[in-house]
Amino acid sequence: EDKVVQSPLSLVVHEGDTVTLNCSYEVTNFRSLLWYKQEKKAPTFLFMLTSSGIEKKSGRLSSILDKKELSSILNITATQTGDSAIYLCAVQGAGNNRKLIWGLGTSLAVNP
Amino acid sequence: DVKVTQSSRYLVKRTGEKVFLECVQDMDHENMFWYRQDPGLGLRLIYFSYDVKMKEKGDIPEGYSVSREKKERFSLILESASTNQTSMYLCASSLRRGAGLAAYEQYFGPGTRLTVT
Repeated sequence: EDKVVQSPLSLVVHEGDTVTLNCSYEVTNFRSLLWYKQEKKAPTFLFMLTSSGIEKKSGRLSSILDKKELSSILNITATQTGDSAIYLCAVQGAGNNRKLIWGLGTSLAVNP
Repeated sequence: DVKVTQSSRYLVKRTGEKVFLECVQDMDHENMFWYRQDPGLGLRLIYFSYDVKMKEKGDIPEGYSVSREKKERFSLILESASTNQTSMYLCASSLRRGAGLAAYEQYFGPGTRLTVT
């Protein structure tokens, strides 16, 4: 059965720290991996990764995919309280290319 | 900007009532999705639709039905609401790519927090 596992489940850091969130997957015929940020309401899209080793970057956030290790990491540098959120990872696999398989998320709390 | 709207932010219904949750997107997306999100269980797909009048079951369709009469609108129906359907319901939409290609990202509405008493 296809699955996506995120770690850690929760994390508490201080402002200015750097954090690394992990997403590993077992999905038949991988096509893409997506990262989302969810604050109090709906998830908002961060990155889509399809190729191994190519870093995607947006400000203090960056992400990279390792297809050999079947995993991805999301890095946040110089964290701010506004980074407090649940970070969700989702993977698209074979078959119906419209569905995503979701991880449970990592809850990040950034304390001042 | 893609905009996905949902008819209610908060809804309280009684057991046995028929409940309609509406979702509208304004970007001409082909695909639309209904999820529920519960603590410790993450996002679970209820139904999705890839075209008008087309629908497919997701992972937890029992107790739900859907309707897509127009491209921009996707409705989730709880035929007879039960307390175990108390949850956050999220609608999403995305463009459709050809077979074998990575999917476009999904855009989410603000969610409807449904309480069934």
